[in-house]
Amino acid sequence: SYELTQPPSVSVSPGQTARITCSGDALPKKYAYWYQQKSGLAPVLVIYEDSNRPSGIPERFSGSSSGTMATLTISGAQFEDEADYYCYSTDINGSPWFGGGTKLTVL
Amino acid sequence: EVQLVESGGGLVQPGGSLRLSCAASGFTFTSYAMSWVRQAPGKGLEWVSALGGGSPHYAESVKGRFTISRDNSKNTLYLQMNSLRVEDTAVYYCVKTLGGYDSLDYWGQGTLVTVSS
Repeated sequence: SYELTQPPSVSVSPGQTARITCSGDALPKKYAYWYQQKSGLAPVLVIYEDSNRPSGIPERFSGSSSGTMATLTISGAQFEDEADYYCYSTDINGSPWFGGGTKLTVL
Repeated sequence: EVQLVESGGGLVQPGGSLRLSCAASGFTFTSYAMSWVRQAPGKGLEWVSALGGGSPHYAESVKGRFTISRDNSKNTLYLQMNSLRVEDTAVYYCVKTLGGYDSLDYWGQGTLVTVSS
């Protein structure tokens, strides 16, 4: 199997910058995607293909990838950004995997 | 507006079968691969299966037990689940892709499958 490793939790004060990382050996060759899941709801795509933001996603969400690490950055985090965040990518054979998820707390 | 409505979840005994359906609307169904992703209670996300215009793809954990299919005339995606195990208990989400089978985009609200005796 393949592992995408995320920190279990990240905390940030309102208005500060939150960074959530995702490490995986295939990331230099495979795109990373990021999903936000609020309690009791379905996940929502916030970043695709490393750094692209879907329409309707606030500009404070951005993504980057370098080497074996992808990063989701929330610039000026808001209370409503409190959620679980999952990275997603494929291994070198094309099999899809999710990271374990990161709980973002804004306090 | 994209809409994905899952149905077919419920309680089933270990070893039993269930078929999930996902009714899609608001986009050209035939132009996109579709996927199933599940989430066990209190746990993270797990990719299950995907189907575009070619061969289906399956996670190792369900290969040989689950079958994904689609009826393009009805804009509907299916997941036939056989030989169900307790560890298959989860909310199952239908997910539209961005095009390729591995690019998850828009998610339905999910349907709960509970495998228990």
